[in-house]
Amino acid sequence: GAGVSQSPSNKVTEKGKDVELRCDPISGHTALYWYRQRLGQGLEFLIYFQGNSAPDKSGLPSDRFSAERTGESVSTLTIQRTQQEDSAVYLCASSLENYEQYFGPGTRLTVT
Amino acid sequence: AQSVAQPEDQVNVAEGNPLTVKCTYSVSGNPYLFWYVQYPNRGLQFLLKYITGDNLVKGSYGFEAEFNKSQTSFHLKKPSALVSDSALYFCAVRDEDTGGFKTIFGAGTRLFVKA
Repeated sequence: GAGVSQSPSNKVTEKGKDVELRCDPISGHTALYWYRQRLGQGLEFLIYFQGNSAPDKSGLPSDRFSAERTGESVSTLTIQRTQQEDSAVYLCASSLENYEQYFGPGTRLTVT
Repeated sequence: AQSVAQPEDQVNVAEGNPLTVKCTYSVSGNPYLFWYVQYPNRGLQFLLKYITGDNLVKGSYGFEAEFNKSQTSFHLKKPSALVSDSALYFCAVRDEDTGGFKTIFGAGTRLFVKA
């Protein structure tokens, strides 16, 4: 079946602009995660959604970052007033309960 | 709060030799442990996991890992390395008792296998 998809694959934006990143999880996966991966570094947890529970937003670095999820479907990560330090690859993953995560290809964000 | 340490930025091994990539963790409750691999220009892929049961878990591509509760370690191993194993490896942990689904990843270890 289809894997996790993310769009756009690349995004170049000017400092101060808002951006929206989209994630389509695997159908039926109840959990959805967002991570940030800066160049040459590990994955930084941002937020996860699980079913109808309140999302765990503990990893969001500032109030410029927010995310929404529609039911158990699409999620969008919004970054307002982008800064150069926001440049990174943003990865989305989905999973069933306590099973392994399936990752999308990521969105490479460049803030100029 | 949970945390993961991968003490080696890079591991070099000759093809055909055994390899070990180290991982230690810290959680308040029971850990769920995972290994993922990131090949160049490809997405992150799941290798194996420990949830409960046997301490030695086997995964994809001939990899295995041993859960050691007393040493809070979950080292990744393979008996005979291949050049194609060269990639970036990430250890990850969930704290089942306190952390919900929040998963913390290590900084990654780059594995180079030389022919």
